[in-house]
Amino acid sequence: TQLLEQSPQFLSIQEGENLTVYCNSSSVFSSLQWYRQEPGEGPVLLVTVVTGGEVKKLKRLTFQFGDARKDSSLHITAAQTGDTGLYLCAGQGFQKLVFGTGTRLLVSP
Amino acid sequence: GAGVSQSPSNKVTEKGKDVELRCDPISGHTALYWYRQRLGQGLEFLIYFQGNSAPDKSGLPSDRFSAERTGESVSTLTIQRTQQEDSAVYLCASSNRAWSSGSYNEQFFGPGTRLTVL
Repeated sequence: TQLLEQSPQFLSIQEGENLTVYCNSSSVFSSLQWYRQEPGEGPVLLVTVVTGGEVKKLKRLTFQFGDARKDSSLHITAAQTGDTGLYLCAGQGFQKLVFGTGTRLLVSP
Repeated sequence: GAGVSQSPSNKVTEKGKDVELRCDPISGHTALYWYRQRLGQGLEFLIYFQGNSAPDKSGLPSDRFSAERTGESVSTLTIQRTQQEDSAVYLCASSNRAWSSGSYNEQFFGPGTRLTVL
């Protein structure tokens, strides 16, 4: 069974701080996605990484896929209150995505 | 609308009753997924439909859970004899590309149905 563990589970920070969320597995994934979910809504795709070692930047968000394609990280620079939400990583398994356990981020003004 | 829609948005039921949850995927999307999300947690895969292939039911937690999909359109998730532990948000997602080795797909999610079993 493929599992994705995210850490930390919960993060509460002040606006302007930096943070990193980790997504780890013992399994290799052909690609990995990051989603953000806001209260009362479904998750929305932020990025897909497909190559080991790949780094993608989306404004203040930096995503990295591990060299061995077993782990990933999401780094947010100068967090804003609008970054508040549940962050989910998802690895491409056989015919379906395997979702991580989630990291709940709260950014306070 | 162009997105995935789900109904009802909220459902409160009594223990032991049956419930039906509906998902309307994005038109033309061949793949449809159901997930369960308990409060504050990640997504738990339930079932996956891909075109006319047999569905992948490997995530259904018990035989009280079943789902159907008509062609490449609407899907219903049925929970029989509901239990309190079934309380969760049920999310539906659709995707416009068939899975193939080495490929990846973006899933578009609906807003979910919040189910509360009293």
